Amino acid sequence: AQKVTQAQTEISVVEKEDVTLDCVYETRDTTYYLFWYKQPPSGELVFLIRRNSFDEQNEISGRYSWNFQKSTSSFNFTITASQVVDSAVYFCALSEARGFGNEKLTFGTGTRLTIIP
Amino acid sequence: GAGVSQSPSNKVTEKGKDVELRCDPISGHTALYWYRQRLGQGLEFLIYFQGNSAPDKSGLPSDRFSAERTGESVSTLTIQRTQQEDSAVYLCASSFMAASSYEQYFGPGTRLTVT
Repeated sequence: AQKVTQAQTEISVVEKEDVTLDCVYETRDTTYYLFWYKQPPSGELVFLIRRNSFDEQNEISGRYSWNFQKSTSSFNFTITASQVVDSAVYFCALSEARGFGNEKLTFGTGTRLTIIP
Repeated sequence: GAGVSQSPSNKVTEKGKDVELRCDPISGHTALYWYRQRLGQGLEFLIYFQGNSAPDKSGLPSDRFSAERTGESVSTLTIQRTQQEDSAVYLCASSFMAASSYEQYFGPGTRLTVT
């Protein structure tokens, strides 16, 4: 069975600080996908990234970066120079390659990030 | 707008009543998912539809839950004889199956409160 653990329930940092959100996953599959979603106070989930299990390269997108380490089953997310607009709940998720496009997601319980101005 | 829409946005119902939730996916998206998000929790997968294929119902928590989708259009999630533990936000997502991306686009959700 799949499982995603986000041990950090809540994090608060002062604006402009860097912050890392941890994600650890469990799966028996060799092919799987990892995701991060942002859920701002408005409630609508916003897709941030999808990463294939065969691609362990780190990725950077503006102030966001992701560190995928298969050896430790982790897919951590770092926000550099945080801003108040980054305040949200962030979810890490996992899907197995089930064929014909079924990518049902297993979500972690989320990390509530608050950026203090 | 061209996003996933859901209705109603809020629903309050008495325990034991049936409710029907609606999802309008993005036009052209062949895949549709329903998820449930209990207060303070992550999302739980409920059901997956892909075109006219048999749906993946492995996440439905009990036989009180059912869902339908005709072709690649609207989907309805029905909860019969609602219980208080059914209170949650029900989220729908759709995706376009392409080799490069299966990104799921989520709707705003329906907040269900069972009193």
